[in-house]
Amino acid sequence: TQLLEQSPQFLSIQEGENLTVYCNSSSVFSSLQWYRQEPGEGPVLLVTVVTGGEVKKLKRLTFQFGDARKDSSLHITAAQPGDTGLYLCAGASEDSGYALNFGKGTSLLVTP
Amino acid sequence: GAVVSQHPSRVICKSGTSVKIECRSLDFQATTMFWYRQFPKQSLMLMATSNEGSKATYEQGVEKDKFLINHASLTLSTLTVTSAHPEDSSFYICSASEGASYEQYFGPGTRLTVT
Repeated sequence: TQLLEQSPQFLSIQEGENLTVYCNSSSVFSSLQWYRQEPGEGPVLLVTVVTGGEVKKLKRLTFQFGDARKDSSLHITAAQPGDTGLYLCAGASEDSGYALNFGKGTSLLVTP
Repeated sequence: GAVVSQHPSRVICKSGTSVKIECRSLDFQATTMFWYRQFPKQSLMLMATSNEGSKATYEQGVEKDKFLINHASLTLSTLTVTSAHPEDSSFYICSASEGASYEQYFGPGTRLTVT
């Protein structure tokens, strides 16, 4: 099993602040995905990164895949209460049959 | 976009009974489906991977005789929790992918409570 360490585990910030969530592993992944999950619902895919050094932007969210494809980060600019949720990173490789290994998640609370 | 449904969304059953959970891909053919389990305030734990027409591959520590998985068609996979016990109470989530793809689309989850 390829372990993914996600940090911080919990984050409580005020509206308008910026934040970064990190996802690190000692293993190389063919791809890495970021998901957001609301309580009582399934995860929703935000982005997939596959190329080392790749940067993708989704409105106020910026995702980066490390050059060695072992780590990734999610940066949110000017957080809003609607960003509140559990953010999960997940890595996959052909060796794992495309099965995802999930990090433990970052629980984000954005207060008005 | 790719839509995956699960049924039921919530189920309460008595200890010793069996419960079946369905996972359907609504607008694409799911070559592979995955079943996860999630405890409160924790991440998703992969239970098994199933490919259409093949036996499921179970993760270490997951009892295949207790968690029966069937993937009989490209749009439907089922998870049956046999002889359920209170410790099986959890949030069960399925996901599906099309072809050899890293992207998985998740169902809304099924909350199982065993009394």
